[in-house]
Amino acid sequence: GAVVSQHPSRVICKSGTSVKIECRSLDFQATTMFWYRQFPKKSLMLMATSNEGSKATYEQGVEKDKFLINHASLTLSTLTVTSAHPEDSSFYICSASGGGAYNEQFFGPGTRLTVL
Amino acid sequence: AQSVAQPEDQVNVAEGNPLTVKCTYSVSGNPYLFWYVQYPNRGLQFLLKYITGDNLVKGSYGFEAEFNKSQTSFHLKKPSALVSDSALYFCAVRDMQTGANNLFFGTGTRLTVIP
Repeated sequence: GAVVSQHPSRVICKSGTSVKIECRSLDFQATTMFWYRQFPKKSLMLMATSNEGSKATYEQGVEKDKFLINHASLTLSTLTVTSAHPEDSSFYICSASGGGAYNEQFFGPGTRLTVL
Repeated sequence: AQSVAQPEDQVNVAEGNPLTVKCTYSVSGNPYLFWYVQYPNRGLQFLLKYITGDNLVKGSYGFEAEFNKSQTSFHLKKPSALVSDSALYFCAVRDMQTGANNLFFGTGTRLTVIP
């Protein structure tokens, strides 16, 4: 089956620093990648959708300058949380879709970000 | 607009008993429906999906779900619950009519299987 990895799985950083999270599709080419944020005991909230080689489309209320998304290749997308603050602490999950008739999404294992 | 409702935040069931986790949806076109399971500090694991065809869909770990178009429901079921089934379950829908890739998730249902 399709495998999506995320790195790192956990990261702790100081307030004001930037953190980069990588999402990789290991055995297929991902034309579209999605970034979700999950708050404790809450559902997944879509942050943005990125297509390879083009700018990401952000959901309403998501600051594009704070959450920088790059999808430079068909197997890699990155999410950079810039000038992180404690309220950015969350569980970030990516998913990847390889296209096709149904564009099924395959999810990564998630990254736990803690901002001190 | 698309939406998914999971009316129960928490479901408790005794080990060996049948379990049901409820999901209803709203889409403008034909739905593409999913169930995912999430264990603590982990990403989502795919359980099953419905696109078209038989209304009863069988998935991983003995789970199944029944698509009911008239009731716009897609409840997750398992005949005999295991303690290891205890986890957070998400229903999700994609509206095939819009052509968008977005999945809309329900709020999740925490299943606890009591030994």
